[in-house]
Amino acid sequence: DAGITQSPRHKVTETGTPVTLRCHQTENHRYMYWYRQDPGHGLRLIHYSYGVKDTDKGEVSDGYSVSRSKTEDFLLTLESATSSQTSVYFCAISGRQGGTDTQYFGPGTRLTVL
Amino acid sequence: QKEVEQNSGPLSVPEGAIASLNCTYSDRGSQSFFWYRQYSGKSPELIMSIYSNGDKEDGRFTAQLNKASQYVSLLIRDSQPSDSATYLCAVLEREYGNKLVFGAGTILRVKS
Repeated sequence: DAGITQSPRHKVTETGTPVTLRCHQTENHRYMYWYRQDPGHGLRLIHYSYGVKDTDKGEVSDGYSVSRSKTEDFLLTLESATSSQTSVYFCAISGRQGGTDTQYFGPGTRLTVL
Repeated sequence: QKEVEQNSGPLSVPEGAIASLNCTYSDRGSQSFFWYRQYSGKSPELIMSIYSNGDKEDGRFTAQLNKASQYVSLLIRDSQPSDSATYLCAVLEREYGNKLVFGAGTILRVKS
């Protein structure tokens, strides 16, 4: 998985509780991304980071925040989880292959909000 | 909003046949295109990338790009049951942090 780990791999939580998902990379890549994947919607970008403390919103950022205090770690926080945030969350890093940029994905976190 | 469209399928082909997966994109300025394979319950895995018009071959896989028609396809020759998966088409948005815009994916089923 290109040196990407995610924790936890599975989590069940209740509506209204805060949740933090962690992505850790050992590749020293600049760009990191958080996606969610839902049936019928494919992968949708939540937030991304282009360096330590440099982040920006994706297309579905409402209800999520991120932080990146070290190159290797990118955290995704659901401040107050809702049932609509039940999903599979993937972290990705951007690296170069064959002279161009592409993305490699972590194993994913399955989050259930009851 | 840049869009990537794929037929959701499922596309069913017999073992040994050629599977043809198609994708269209909305941004005429797009330059880089990717195909990912995703098995059920697993993360997406990069299969191929293509940047120039024409065909690019890698083993049993051939990616085809036609920028004038804004169309990219993936051909899988000699399809095997192990090729059964969801195939995701993605387009690179270089100007916004190297973001990828994904299609919803096509489910491929190879029947033995």
